Amino acid sequence: DAMVIQNPRYQVTQFGKPVTLSCSQTLNHNVMYWYQQKSSQAPKLLFHYYDKDFNNEADTPDNFQSRRPNTSFCFLDIRSPGLGDAAMYLCATSRGGGPFEKLFFGSGTQLSVL
Amino acid sequence: SQQGEEDPQALSIQEGENATMNCSYKTSINNLQWYRQNSGRGLVHLILIRSNEREKHSGRLRVTLDTSKKSSSLLITASRAADTASYFCATDRGSTLGRLYFGRGTQLTVWP
Repeated sequence: DAMVIQNPRYQVTQFGKPVTLSCSQTLNHNVMYWYQQKSSQAPKLLFHYYDKDFNNEADTPDNFQSRRPNTSFCFLDIRSPGLGDAAMYLCATSRGGGPFEKLFFGSGTQLSVL
Repeated sequence: SQQGEEDPQALSIQEGENATMNCSYKTSINNLQWYRQNSGRGLVHLILIRSNEREKHSGRLRVTLDTSKKSSSLLITASRAADTASYFCATDRGSTLGRLYFGRGTQLTVWP
C-alpha cells in the first residue's frame, strides 16, 4: 500500500545534541510537510516542500531545518534540541500544492529530549 | 498561532448517540477540512468542504460550513466505540498554496 513512513517511531536525544528525523513516501506526491504537535495541542506547521522549493513558516525557529534530497524522502534536522522541542513530529504529503488538496500523514516520531 | 478553535475540547458520549463538534476560524478560507487522530498516531483525512459549500456528507459524517460566522461543525451519527479519537479542523487561511493550519482539536470518547 502506498504510504507515508516515519522513522524512528520514538527518538530520544540529549539536550543540545543534533537529531534527524526521517520521512519517506511511496505516494509520489509533490508536496511534503513537517508539523510539530505538543501534547494536547494543535499540529503546528513548520515548513513544507513543493517539489524542491522550500517554504518556511515565519515563526519556525532557526533551530529547525529540513532537507529533501529527492521526491521520496524528507528529513527534519534539529540542530540543538531544547527541552521545549520535545513533541510528536508529523510528516505529511499532498499530491499537489493547490488549495483543495488533502494531506496524508505518517504515524509520527515522538521526540524526547533529556 | 492557531487558526481554529474546536469546541468542546472534550466530549464523552455513549455508543449510538450523535457527536457534534464545532470549529471556529479567523480568516477567509478556500476550504475547511476535518481530520481524525487516534492516540499517538498520525492524522487521517475525513472530509473537505469548500468555501462555497454549506453542507457535505460522507457515510456517518455530516459537515456544515457557515462562512459568515466563520464556523463549521462535524456531526458523527450513531457513534461507535471505534470513533474514540481526537478530531481536528484545518483551514488554508485563504492561501492557494495547499498549506493547512490546524485547530486544537476535540477529544471524543465513545463508551460502549
